[in-house]
Amino acid sequence: EVQLVESGGGLVQPGGSLRLSCAASGFTFSSDWMTWVRQAPGKGLEWVANIKQDGSEKYYVDSVKGRFTISRDNAKNSLYLQMDSLRVEDTAVYYCAREAGGSGNRNDYWGQGTLVTVSS
Amino acid sequence: DIQMTQSPSTLSASVGDRVTITCRASQSTNNWLAWYQQKAGKAPKLLIYKASSLESGVPSRFSGSGSGTEFTLTISSLQPDDFGTYYCQQYNSYPITFGGGTKVEIK
Repeated sequence: EVQLVESGGGLVQPGGSLRLSCAASGFTFSSDWMTWVRQAPGKGLEWVANIKQDGSEKYYVDSVKGRFTISRDNAKNSLYLQMDSLRVEDTAVYYCAREAGGSGNRNDYWGQGTLVTVSS
Repeated sequence: DIQMTQSPSTLSASVGDRVTITCRASQSTNNWLAWYQQKAGKAPKLLIYKASSLESGVPSRFSGSGSGTEFTLTISSLQPDDFGTYYCQQYNSYPITFGGGTKVEIK
């Protein structure tokens, strides 16, 4: 059974940093692109970033470029999102998701999400 | 960036009704279009991909159609479990973008 479990969310002040983790199991993690998607309270879904199987390609939405870094450790079956210079508007539930079928593809499995709150 | 516009934003329908949700893209997505269902407090669930392919395990009352810039999600006979918010997503080009969502309420 495919499982994705996010962790690392919490309350942080504007300008602060946070690192999210996503532990994957039930599939060959090193064979799939992975994605982070976020959802602000009461709002819709926003794609944040994705990363190729070997980490050699990464893509970001403009609003997080230069502040967020996606990475992965295939030996640990883990996906990460380093979030720096956090803003109030980064407050959201952050989901990790697997991509089915390669680069920039649909997301067939999702984690339960972890809440990040940026507030003073 | 490809902008995705869904309509309506909310709809209320009765069990057994045929329900249609529309998604329009600001430019062609080459049919790289997915539909998701999300219930409150839960992660999205993939329903349809490549505009009309049904994801494994999804009931056949869900179907997708359309091409180019205009797409439709149809629920042939609405069931009580179908309440929630539905999102379209284009994955033709970066950044990947979602529609604003359609909230489906059961009358």
